[in-house]
Amino acid sequence: GEDVEQSLFLSVREGDSSVINCTYTDSSSTYLYWYKQEPGAGLQLLTYIFSNMDMKQDQRLTVLLNKKDKHLSLRIADTQTGDSAIYFCAEPLGSARQLTFGSGTQLTVLP
Amino acid sequence: GAVVSQHPSRVICKSGTSVKIECRSLDFQATTMFWYRQFPKQSLMLMATSNEGSKATYEQGVEKDKFLINHASLTLSTLTVTSAHPEDSSFYICSARDRRPLGTEAFFGQGTRLTVV
Repeated sequence: GEDVEQSLFLSVREGDSSVINCTYTDSSSTYLYWYKQEPGAGLQLLTYIFSNMDMKQDQRLTVLLNKKDKHLSLRIADTQTGDSAIYFCAEPLGSARQLTFGSGTQLTVLP
Repeated sequence: GAVVSQHPSRVICKSGTSVKIECRSLDFQATTMFWYRQFPKQSLMLMATSNEGSKATYEQGVEKDKFLINHASLTLSTLTVTSAHPEDSSFYICSARDRRPLGTEAFFGQGTRLTVV
């Protein structure tokens, strides 16, 4: 496909792990990003992964990259209520490497 | 991380007036800034790419005469919504990329909620 795709909704219980999936479009993308957006706010860069990596871990966040399938995932361990937000994956496309975003996944953490 | 400041955070204006939104990179120089628009519960759609000292590049379907972009310095880009109408009501977000060679991350402003009445 030509779009960066994400599932729209994910609900988990507090303390469980969350896994948010993304399918991107350009196998030559050098970096792939995960952003977090809380209600009414801008985007916060959570983490990114370089294309020559399969996995990157940063505290509670783990990013997995499958270049063959152009699949990216974000795992949040021990999910907390403060993690409730919309999560966007993004890849740089175009001559200016402008970011193209997925549809966003609304993560709801239930107590 | 790097800081991008966007101002104002919220504005309500009357139909037919113009609104200017500022985007500043506070602790780095950004040769390129991007302007996005986000409708409720939707993703960010790129409107234009702003390059310091040159004309902005607009995405297909975005009216350049309606959305005026000026990138006069390495730390400031402005978006002016001219003759605003209610359908222009949206959330506008800017982002900036650090010009340093390893600066691949794009940092985002906090967004501007525009309501046209």
